[in-house]
Amino acid sequence: DAKTTQPNSMESNEEEPVHLPCNHSTISGTDYIHWYRQLPSQGPEYVIHGLTSNVNNRMASLAIAEDRKSSTLILHRATLRDAAVYYCILLSNTGNQFYFGTGTSLTVIP
Amino acid sequence: DTGVSQNPRHKITKRGQNVTFRCDPISEHNRLYWYRQTLGQGPEFLTYFQNEAQLEKSRLLSDRFSAERPKGSFSTLEIQRTEQGDSAMYLCASSLSSGSTEAFFGQGTRLTVV
Repeated sequence: DAKTTQPNSMESNEEEPVHLPCNHSTISGTDYIHWYRQLPSQGPEYVIHGLTSNVNNRMASLAIAEDRKSSTLILHRATLRDAAVYYCILLSNTGNQFYFGTGTSLTVIP
Repeated sequence: DTGVSQNPRHKITKRGQNVTFRCDPISEHNRLYWYRQTLGQGPEFLTYFQNEAQLEKSRLLSDRFSAERPKGSFSTLEIQRTEQGDSAMYLCASSLSSGSTEAFFGQGTRLTVV
C-alpha cells in the first residue's frame, strides 16, 4: 500500500475548526483514503474514509483533492475529546494491511 | 455485537516465559489483523488472516511469534521465550474484505516483560 505524509503535531483552540492535512502523492486509482484516530491507551478508532468525492459523517468531513494526491480531515468544532493522534491511511480492495505511519498529534487548547 | 474483544488487557511476564493473547473479532468480519505498538509510535503490522488462512506475515514476526485463526473466528497470538523488547501494546483489528470498509480495533493487550 502507498505511504502517507502528515505533520507530526498540530494545535487547535476548542470549538474552532481543525484541518488535518495528509499527502499521498503515490496513491493508486484503487486506494481508499482512511482516517483513524487513537486516544491515549486505546486502540485506533475509525473516523472516515473516501475514494474520490468528499465525505461527511457525524464525526468529521473528508476533503479529497481533485488529483487525489492529498486529503484533509476536517473537524468542524474541536472539543477536548478530539485530542488524539490522527492517522491517514491508504488501503486498496486487495490491500492486506493498514500502514499507520506516525500520524498527527492534535492538541486542543481550552 | 460489542466490537473487537481482546484478552487479557494487561499481561506481565518474566523474560523467557511464553504468553498467548486472544482476539475475538466482529462475527461477520473475515479479515483479521494483528499489530504491535510501542510508546510514541504508530501501530506496526504483524500479520493478517483472511478467514482461517494466514496470508501475510511481517518481518517483525520472528520465529518466536505464531498466530492462528483455526476456524476463521477468534485468533490467538503466541510469543515464546519472551524478551524485554517484546514489551508493547498488541492490537487486533477486523474488517470485511474490502478497502471500502472500515476496520474495527480492539482495546489491545499491553505486555510487559520483566
